[in-house]
Amino acid sequence: EAAVTQSPRNKVAVTGGKVTLSCNQTNNHNNMYWYRQDTGHGLRLIHYSYGAGSTEKGDIPDGYKASRPSQENFSLILELATPSQTSVYFCASGEGTISNERLFFGHGTKLSVL
Amino acid sequence: GDSVTQTEGQVTVSESKSLIINCTYSTTSIAYPNLFWYVRYPGEGLQLLLKVITAGQKGSSRGFEATYNKETTSFHLQKASVQESDSAVYYCALGDPGANTGKLTFGHGTILRVHP
Repeated sequence: EAAVTQSPRNKVAVTGGKVTLSCNQTNNHNNMYWYRQDTGHGLRLIHYSYGAGSTEKGDIPDGYKASRPSQENFSLILELATPSQTSVYFCASGEGTISNERLFFGHGTKLSVL
Repeated sequence: GDSVTQTEGQVTVSESKSLIINCTYSTTSIAYPNLFWYVRYPGEGLQLLLKVITAGQKGSSRGFEATYNKETTSFHLQKASVQESDSAVYYCALGDPGANTGKLTFGHGTILRVHP
């Protein structure tokens, strides 16, 4: 079964600090995604990637950067964290073919920015 | 853009009773979307429950069913007899095959609580 691992599972950060959320997949999938989930909003796409070296803006990219240094790893970076970025973040990988948009998700990272 | 609207908040059902979680979608794509139901059990990540990529067809998994209705732009999730182990958060999602990005647009999620 496909595996997506996120770290850390929980994170408390201070306002203005830098936060890096990491994601590793062993599926050899080309595409990777970062979503956040908030009450009343469901999952919203922040950034995604088509492969190593590629990053694309999703629907809510402001305040976030992404990095895809390899096929397996995809990081989400908050350079200056704000309390509004308190959320649960999910990483996912997918093959990205036209009809097979099955995504494999990690367990999520709960981030609290104080 | 694309959007998905599903039953809001929490649904509470007694064990062995039937369930329906409503889902309707909207898309600006010229292609018919691919439709999905994902589920998140307590302490786990989201996982695919079922998907349908052809209008008019029905998907099923673990006793759940959903039919892709392009006339009403709906993809409601149903189960005839729920179990306590079905308690989870359910998400309806839409994928645009024309975009070829693999991105999914999710609904807000519906919390299902099944009590014995």
